[in-house]
Parts: sequence; C-alpha cells; structure tokens
Amino acid sequence: KAGVTQTPRYLIKTRGQQVTLSCSPISGHRSVSWYQQTPGQGLQFLFEYFSETQRNKGNFPGRFSGRQFSNSRSEMNVSTLELGDSALYLCASSLGGERQVGNTIYFGEGSWLTVV
Amino acid sequence: KNEVEQSPQNLTAQEGEFITINCSYSVGISALHWLQQHPGGGIVSLFMLSSGKKKHGRLIATINIQEKHSSLHITASHPRDSAVYICELNRDDKIIFGKGTRLHILP
Repeated sequence: KAGVTQTPRYLIKTRGQQVTLSCSPISGHRSVSWYQQTPGQGLQFLFEYFSETQRNKGNFPGRFSGRQFSNSRSEMNVSTLELGDSALYLCASSLGGERQVGNTIYFGEGSWLTVV
Repeated sequence: KNEVEQSPQNLTAQEGEFITINCSYSVGISALHWLQQHPGGGIVSLFMLSSGKKKHGRLIATINIQEKHSSLHITASHPRDSAVYICELNRDDKIIFGKGTRLHILP
C-alpha cells in the first residue's frame, strides 16, 4: 500500500511568487492535513480537509490556502511568497476526520521550500 | 507562558539506557499525540492517548490528565531511536505542538 506522497520534494522560489504543493493520501483516506515546520517556530498546523471541506484551520495568513479534490488528493498554495515561508511543508492523511485515539495519522516525507 | 513545554530539549544517552521525555501543558485537551521525526524530515505517529498508558514494543506513553502531563519512555534504548520526539495537543479546533526533544543514543 503506497504511503502519503508529496510533490515536489524540493523547490526554490523567488519572493513574491506563488507555489502549489501537492499531497496524495493513502488510498481510502479521506482526511488530509497540512503543516509547516521551521527551525524557529517548529511544527505548526496549517489546515485540515475532510471530504473536500476544510474542517480546521491554524493561525496563518490568508496567503496560505488549500483545497481537497473528490479523490481526496489535496493541494496547498502560498501566494506572494516571503523569505519566512521557507520551510518544510508536511501533509498527513487519516481515515477519519476527527483527531482522536484510534484514528492513526500517516505523514508524507514533506516538501522543502526555499524562498530566495 | 507556552501552552505546551517539552523537556529536556536535548538528551544524549548510552545504548541500553531507559529514556524519559516529558510533555507538560496548561490547557484542557481531548487527546495528546506523540510523534517521532527522523533526520530528513519523515514523521511517524507513535501514540495518541487521552488517558492512562499505552505500550508498543519498547515504547511506553503515559498521560495524567489531572496533572496535565505526559511522558514517553523508551526501554533498552538503541541508536536507531535517535530522533526528535514531538508532543502534540489536540483541543477542540486547535492543534498545538511542542518544540520537540532531540534524542541521541550513543552505541
């Protein structure tokens, strides 16, 4: 069974550009969540989608957005990139939509974004 | 004051030692999640618990809801346990991560 797949794995963008990252969840999983990890702030929750609906959102500006498609694949977009957006972006998938005991979460390897 | 504190921040130990990593928090939660992150970025979910104790192989996680404290124990530690261990709080619509504990097990 394939794991959570994130593409691209590495990318370099220029300040002011936008970027789209993709996440393919484990087959059958309907929940996808996104995270940002930086050396300074650590791991932070961005948002979560379940059956194409955003269920939960972290404290990030509107430049960060996401969506989920009917096949559960998800994309996140960051517009007007800033140097501080350089980070590892991780996605995770799970069967259910609730973050609770019994609903195991599986993480992808992440997308490393560098903004120059 | 941070809502979640992990200790220690860094820990180096010899192979075979018993390891304890702590997570203290100041808010009500519905569940607490322990994660393991290896060099290179990949994260593995270890335990999610809302009460009591869970065990998987050499790893044990405990939580005391009244004291707002959770511990992750590793018995008979091994160099492959070297990783960053992160605790995550789940409360209603908020997900909050600790800063992580960097563990290095020497052979």
